Amino acid sequence: DTAVSQTPKYLVTQMGNDKSIKCEQNLGHDTMYWYKQDSKKFLKIMFSYNNKELIINETVPNRFSPKSPDKAHLNLHINSLELGDSAVYFCASSQTSVQSTDTQYFGPGTRLTVL
Amino acid sequence: AQSVSQHNHHVILSEAASLELGCNYSYGGTVNLFWYVQYPGQHLQLLLKYFSGDPLVKGIKGFEAEFIKSKFSFNLRKPSVQWSDTAEYFCAVNAHGQNFVFGPGTRLSVLP
Repeated sequence: DTAVSQTPKYLVTQMGNDKSIKCEQNLGHDTMYWYKQDSKKFLKIMFSYNNKELIINETVPNRFSPKSPDKAHLNLHINSLELGDSAVYFCASSQTSVQSTDTQYFGPGTRLTVL
Repeated sequence: AQSVSQHNHHVILSEAASLELGCNYSYGGTVNLFWYVQYPGQHLQLLLKYFSGDPLVKGIKGFEAEFIKSKFSFNLRKPSVQWSDTAEYFCAVNAHGQNFVFGPGTRLSVLP
């Protein structure tokens, strides 16, 4: 009964490769998010997305792109991976993006290591 | 823009000691406040949240937090910590129409 799931849990790859991380939520939520957690545990939002609007953090390189085949999925595609992309990436979801009282539910994270 | 600061980077306590983790935010409007916990190797889980009403909020596992509007603070407390409370603790803030903003986190190490 995992609410927010991510695959893979670990991803090790070479610089320059393209990779994707998948996220699925079974909570019926309208909005999904991607966060990056760096080695110092600092959490930074990358994207928030519902079926109407994609909000991109302006500091995110355009090598990163979210792709949502349907409301329950928000995958993260990364082109031309760089060493600095190594981090833990968390997917999250919330009921809406309008109600600021909505709690965000987090996935287990994907640890990406770029060699 | 909102920002969140957490006073302590790393807190080390012995079991049964009392805990208080500081959280301050900067935003002039109405905010909603959250504390999340991240146990080693795990994802973030909600400890408690404040939206309105009683400024003293009780969460899971014996945690509580107090919202003090005049101080822009939302400190997390627990009267007696256990070894299993060892984790990273994140304060987060959001306001209507804005994204969550997380603080930098406080690592809590509880010595048995």
